[in-house]
Amino acid sequence: DTGVSQNPRHKITKRGQNVTFRCDPISEHNRLYWYRQTLGQGPEFLTYFQNEAQLEKSRLLSDRFSAERPKGSFSTLEIQRTEQGDSAMYLCASSNRDNNNEKLFFGSGTQLSVL
Amino acid sequence: QKEVEQDPGPLSVPEGAIVSLNCTYSNSAFQYFMWYRQYSRKGPELLMYTYSSGNKEDGRFTAQVDKSSKYISLFIRDSQPSDSATYLCAMRGGMNRDDKIIFGKGTRLHILP
Repeated sequence: DTGVSQNPRHKITKRGQNVTFRCDPISEHNRLYWYRQTLGQGPEFLTYFQNEAQLEKSRLLSDRFSAERPKGSFSTLEIQRTEQGDSAMYLCASSNRDNNNEKLFFGSGTQLSVL
Repeated sequence: QKEVEQDPGPLSVPEGAIVSLNCTYSNSAFQYFMWYRQYSRKGPELLMYTYSSGNKEDGRFTAQVDKSSKYISLFIRDSQPSDSATYLCAMRGGMNRDDKIIFGKGTRLHILP
């Protein structure tokens, strides 16, 4: 399967713990996005990378959140000192933005539950 | 006013019916319009992708864009129980290479056998 892969699929953690999620994009895609989705809402943009450069971070992304994409391949999203409000589905998407005809392809997401 | 408005539903229709889903938006700069389908506990899957105004057909699915009214629609013909999912509209500009894709809240659709 050459789609976007996310791990783990589910994560349950206690408030105050740190968690890290991984995303492996489609190999030829140069852009990688992180979105967050809560029940009954559409995906909300968090941050994105063009190759290894992080180009934008949403105001939704507090200082407890950090994302990396070393060498422009896979990406990690870390949440420090988790809070119950962080409980959500964290979605990764990748695309090839060589022109304006950009299409996002999503992974299955990581469902985070903070107890 | 949110940039993209979408009725969350749920919308229940009998199998075989024509389904009409729609979104309105406020940003006249949007030029690229998408529909994603999302099954429970899965990531969104791209269904339709259109540029500017007009219609696009793909099998049982037709996407329409009316930029003058800032209104987009997705029609599903001969609906099947397997079409039961949440349908998300999404859109972005085009003049700026860094424009982000903005999603609606999604409409939950139930096709009744």
